[in-house]
Amino acid sequence: DTEVTQTPKHLVMGMTNKKSLKCEQHMGHRAMYWYKQKAKKPPELMFVYSYEKLSINESVPSRFSPECPNSSLLNLHLHALQPEDSALYLCASSRLAGVAGDTQYFGPGTRLTVL
Amino acid sequence: GDSVTQMEGPVTLSEEAFLTINCTYTATGYPSLFWYVQYPGEGLQLLLKATKADDKGSNKGFEATYRKETTSFHLEKGSVQVSDSAVYFCALSDLTGTASKLTFGTGTRLQVTL
Repeated sequence: DTEVTQTPKHLVMGMTNKKSLKCEQHMGHRAMYWYKQKAKKPPELMFVYSYEKLSINESVPSRFSPECPNSSLLNLHLHALQPEDSALYLCASSRLAGVAGDTQYFGPGTRLTVL
Repeated sequence: GDSVTQMEGPVTLSEEAFLTINCTYTATGYPSLFWYVQYPGEGLQLLLKATKADDKGSNKGFEATYRKETTSFHLEKGSVQVSDSAVYFCALSDLTGTASKLTFGTGTRLQVTL
């Protein structure tokens, strides 16, 4: 089973709202990732967690706050977003974080619209 | 830094035609190479990968060979189907500190018609 699940599938929020995106995997993977994908563009890496610790933050604005409460779960907390933050947010996981050839498995994404 | 260059799309083919999507890369180390596919409204799915020079990745009739001398990883399929219509991303993975990062190409949209 190589499934990564993400909830919700769609999310509409106002600029003053606080919401969270959730990602789960039960493959025993120890690395988890958040990507942002705008229409007709490739995914852009936002954060990498390795063994539940944040190892890469790609200079993401503080209105995005990641959290990794355990090895199976990854959250992305959203607060005071801007309309330009509207995008598809993809979660991925891989067995290990320090191995270049390790495959990242992606979830179906959460389509976020900020009004 | 690392980069991946893919041919511009869209690529429009008739069913049963031969497919080639070109991909070249620039990397300082010895990256692993991947092709991911994204169907409309979905996340990315791994199509195939190769971890060292001269490796050939293959899956569902698609193939790509890791060519270090030409820094290329072109995707090929002998006979495409309508169901292959999707966006294809070439990517490389290299180590950055204690984590590995995927660098994607811009993606190539494939449309297959009857």
